[in-house]
Amino acid sequence: GNSVTQMEGPVTLSEEAFLTINCTYTATGYPSLFWYVQYPGEGLQLLLKATKADDKGSNKGFEATYRKETTSFHLEKGSVQVSDSAVYFCALSPNYGGSQGNLIFGKGTKLSVKP
Amino acid sequence: DGGITQSPKYLFRKEGQNVTLSCEQNLNHDAMYWYRQDPGQGLRLIYYSQIVNDFQKGDIAEGYSVSREKKESFPLTVTSAQKNPTAFYLCASSTTTGGNVDTQYFGPGTRLTVL
Repeated sequence: GNSVTQMEGPVTLSEEAFLTINCTYTATGYPSLFWYVQYPGEGLQLLLKATKADDKGSNKGFEATYRKETTSFHLEKGSVQVSDSAVYFCALSPNYGGSQGNLIFGKGTKLSVKP
Repeated sequence: DGGITQSPKYLFRKEGQNVTLSCEQNLNHDAMYWYRQDPGQGLRLIYYSQIVNDFQKGDIAEGYSVSREKKESFPLTVTSAQKNPTAFYLCASSTTTGGNVDTQYFGPGTRLTVL
């Protein structure tokens, strides 16, 4: 079946530190991969996505590369800010013929950035 | 502005009562979804609809019901049969292309508390 596994948090970093949040997946076919971010008390916002192998999604200094050989989509940022404190969700959409295309989410990783 | 609205933001109900959560979108999206989020867990799919007057059960549909009479509206009813309804409920919508789902966009959520 389809599943997403992401590193458990919470992750606590100092401002300007390098961030990596690991995400691996199991899927049938060729899924699309997403990172969503959730700020306290709010809904989810799309952060970035990649739809095929070797694609790199990027937004607001965050990057993730779709690695089919390692079934991974790790999120990285070179220098985090206090405003990046949030919960980050990795997700996949199966995208095979006849798929209902529902998103399958990891459990989320809470990031706290200290000044 | 285009987007997804959910109301109310906070909702309280007594045990044994049904309650309906509203979700409206003006993005002209065909597909709409309801997710449930519990602390420390990812999102779990309750129901989804890819077209008006049609919807399917997700992973945790028991104790919930939906309707899709209009493209822009997808209300969720939490019935008294739902054993543990206290949670954060998120509505989402997306376009569909050739049966595959594009990026899902989320509303701000409704926090339901059963007293």
